[in-house]
Amino acid sequence: NAGVTQTPKFQVLKTGQSMTLQCAQDMNHNSMYWYRQDPGMGLRLIYYSASEGTTDKGEVPNGYNVSRLNKREFSLRLESAAPSQTSVYFCASSAQGRRNEQYFGPGTRLTVT
Amino acid sequence: GDSVTQMEGPVTLSEEAFLTINCTYTATGYPSLFWYVQYPGEGLQLLLKATKADDKGSNKGFEATYRKETTSFHLEKGSVQVSDSAVYFCALYSGNTPLVFGKGTRLSVIA
Repeated sequence: NAGVTQTPKFQVLKTGQSMTLQCAQDMNHNSMYWYRQDPGMGLRLIYYSASEGTTDKGEVPNGYNVSRLNKREFSLRLESAAPSQTSVYFCASSAQGRRNEQYFGPGTRLTVT
Repeated sequence: GDSVTQMEGPVTLSEEAFLTINCTYTATGYPSLFWYVQYPGEGLQLLLKATKADDKGSNKGFEATYRKETTSFHLEKGSVQVSDSAVYFCALYSGNTPLVFGKGTRLSVIA
């Protein structure tokens, strides 16, 4: 099993460009999450999807959109990237009834210039 | 709202030293408590957990006890190794929202 996979691993964007971060899990988990990690700020939840077909805002949703494409895949889109969105982005998933035990992907390091 | 406060790092220890990383929480009700670890270049992994007061979670030589009276869940290890160098996150889950993480504590262990 690959667990949680994320693509790309690294990305550099110019201000105003758009891109989509991809995430997939092969553990048949119901819930999926997107976080950003910044120095001194820990992990902050951007959006999550408790189950296929639903999405909810987390702590820092502004400037992002998400799509739960199917049970396996949960993408994060930046429509118009800003330097403040320079960060490391982590996707995670959890099983039904076990939202506290999350499995994380390896992360995407995004730089916006 | 729910929150987690961890001691600020970085923490630098010599190999075989005793480790304590403090974590306190604020939550309504009776949350479950967790420690996650992030090794360099990787995502977070669940290290240990405790779901009710006085429970002790343990894994890989690490321990933490859920103390309701002091709202704490401090992480301890008796003898750290270089391979324990990582960032450690305390987290809570109260059932209302997804996990709430602390800001993380970076541990460096030198030989």
